[in-house]
Amino acid sequence: DVKVTQSSRYLVKRTGEKVFLECVQDMDHENMFWYRQDPGLGLRLIYFSYDVKMKEKGDIPEGYSVSREKKERFSLILESASTNQTSMYLCASSFPRSGALPGDTQYFGPGTRLTVL
Amino acid sequence: SQQGEEDPQALSIQEGENATMNCSYKTSINNLQWYRQNSGRGLVHLILIRSNEREKHSGRLRVTLDTSKKSSSLLITASRAADTASYFCATDSNQGGKLIFGQGTELSVKP
Repeated sequence: DVKVTQSSRYLVKRTGEKVFLECVQDMDHENMFWYRQDPGLGLRLIYFSYDVKMKEKGDIPEGYSVSREKKERFSLILESASTNQTSMYLCASSFPRSGALPGDTQYFGPGTRLTVL
Repeated sequence: SQQGEEDPQALSIQEGENATMNCSYKTSINNLQWYRQNSGRGLVHLILIRSNEREKHSGRLRVTLDTSKKSSSLLITASRAADTASYFCATDSNQGGKLIFGQGTELSVKP
């Protein structure tokens, strides 16, 4: 079974702090994703990565950066946390199928609920 | 941008009844997926239906896809209290593995 783990289930930080959210997958997946989930807004993609050291902006990258130094690990960084970044953060991974069809099944971690005070 | 939009936003039924959730999308797709999320947890993949398929079954789940109407439905038959969760549809975006998720339907199944 695919396993995606996130470093913390709950996290409380202060405004201005630098925050690291870690995600690790154990299935040698090429694709990894970071989402945030807020009531009424659904899942919004922050950043994604198709390979080591590669990253692509999602729909809401402002205020975030990412790092993918190893294939299994994808980190989300809040350079200077703000209260509007209080949210549930979800990491996911997927394996690209050979052939042209995109949109592979994504496997999600349990989520990190971040509160910024 | 939201591609998939679910309807209804919330659904409350009794155990044993069927639950139907709908998803509409705007652009052409290669496939559509349904995911489930228990409260405060990550999403779990339920089923994937390709654009050339019209109906797919998995246990108590039945998914239909109508590409002419750009819509899909998820039917859960003989619902159980354990089916209580949020359900999301997701469509591929023609950008590699990127998916676009709807806002979800919150299903409550009362025992």
